[in-house]
Amino acid sequence: RKEVEQDPGPFNVPEGATVAFNCTYSNSASQSFFWYRQDCRKEPKLLMSVYSSGNEDGRFTAQLNRASQYISLLIRDSKLSDSATYLCVVNGGSGGYQKVTFGTGTKLQVIP
Amino acid sequence: DAMVIQNPRYQVTQFGKPVTLSCSQTLNHNVMYWYQQKSSQAPKLLFHYYDKDFNNEADTPDNFQSRRPNTSFCFLDIRSPGLGDAAMYLCATSREIPGSEIHSAKNIQYFGAGTRLSVL
Repeated sequence: RKEVEQDPGPFNVPEGATVAFNCTYSNSASQSFFWYRQDCRKEPKLLMSVYSSGNEDGRFTAQLNRASQYISLLIRDSKLSDSATYLCVVNGGSGGYQKVTFGTGTKLQVIP
Repeated sequence: DAMVIQNPRYQVTQFGKPVTLSCSQTLNHNVMYWYQQKSSQAPKLLFHYYDKDFNNEADTPDNFQSRRPNTSFCFLDIRSPGLGDAAMYLCATSREIPGSEIHSAKNIQYFGAGTRLSVL
């Protein structure tokens, strides 16, 4: 089983739609979780951290389910500019440096 | 203003000819990372420096080396590039604070724009 697993997509959705991605992780000791966005041929950029209580930033909502070991990202009212690859990032282990593992990303294409 | 700067943005080298990629940061972060990313794949961690301590990933080939002469700079040296080493190389930094709360800035990585390496 991969340490961090994502559906590669692509998810093709019309403008204004709501879309959700999941990401599963295998290390139950993982402590920090993030969603990054990566545009084609660009560097990853932090979209949001994911907290146990869930968190929202405008049209974006992130959730963490420790029992089932997955995190989710919900995008409401999709915009054309949301088209990108969304990378799930998990920090595993405990104490000292925590290893960072990236998922392979989920590609989103928002269609006019 | 860019906080993590990678140079050059594009690098072309010949098969077997050593090449060095550079990364500098203005964030004063204590951890610096080098990733390799190939098309449609996740960034793959090659190694990282935690302060001055070098940490190599187990599957990073010996062909890849790194230097961190000071907090701000980190270099990736590819001693004998092969065709399979053509990729985007990403530098990232983070601020690690032992014992910090999980909701702090801990572990958030800031990436440079990357260097795209071609091997002829």
